[in-house]
Amino acid sequence: KNEVEQSPQNLTAQEGEFITINCSYSVGISALHWLQQHPGGGIVSLFMLSSGKKKHGRLIATINIQEKHSSLHITASHPRDSAVYICAAANNDMRFGAGTRLTVKP
Amino acid sequence: DVKVTQSSRYLVKRTGEKVFLECVQDMDHENMFWYRQDPGLGLRLIYFSYDVKMKEKGDIPEGYSVSREKKERFSLILESASTNQTSMYLCASSFAPSGDYNEQFFGPGTRLTVL
Repeated sequence: KNEVEQSPQNLTAQEGEFITINCSYSVGISALHWLQQHPGGGIVSLFMLSSGKKKHGRLIATINIQEKHSSLHITASHPRDSAVYICAAANNDMRFGAGTRLTVKP
Repeated sequence: DVKVTQSSRYLVKRTGEKVFLECVQDMDHENMFWYRQDPGLGLRLIYFSYDVKMKEKGDIPEGYSVSREKKERFSLILESASTNQTSMYLCASSFAPSGDYNEQFFGPGTRLTVL
């Protein structure tokens, strides 16, 4: 069993839909990261959180430390949100989920 | 802004060739990392370095070596490329005192195909 599990693996949505991507981890963490990888490979950090909730524009990330679970939400999704979203559990190193490929159709 | 650059975006090599992947960061980060990314497996750590001339094996070091002669540059070497090393290779760097964790900044990736 992977130390970081993401679901779903693939997600297709219509523009405007509310999207949720889930991440469960089995390791102890100092922080949980959500990363975005666009076609072509470049990875950017969206959020780093260790408790509660963070919001940036249409993106919201939450974490429940007791349940070892985090979610990434996208409100009013747009085709430019199409990307792979990766969850990473950080302690002394980073353990990555396999990623969720999101496609938002116009 | 932190910038992490990789020498090639796409690379095609033949089985048995020696392959060098270069990574350069401009933020004076101590830590540098090499990952490979494969469908369904996510990012897996190959090697990392926390200082010049220092290196540590990651989860999948077999078939790879690394070199860090200067702080800003971290090279990944495939001594004799094999087809199962066809993958996306991502370099990252971070500023962190030893034992702490900090955000990693990623390069654009090198998609390597070994024929």
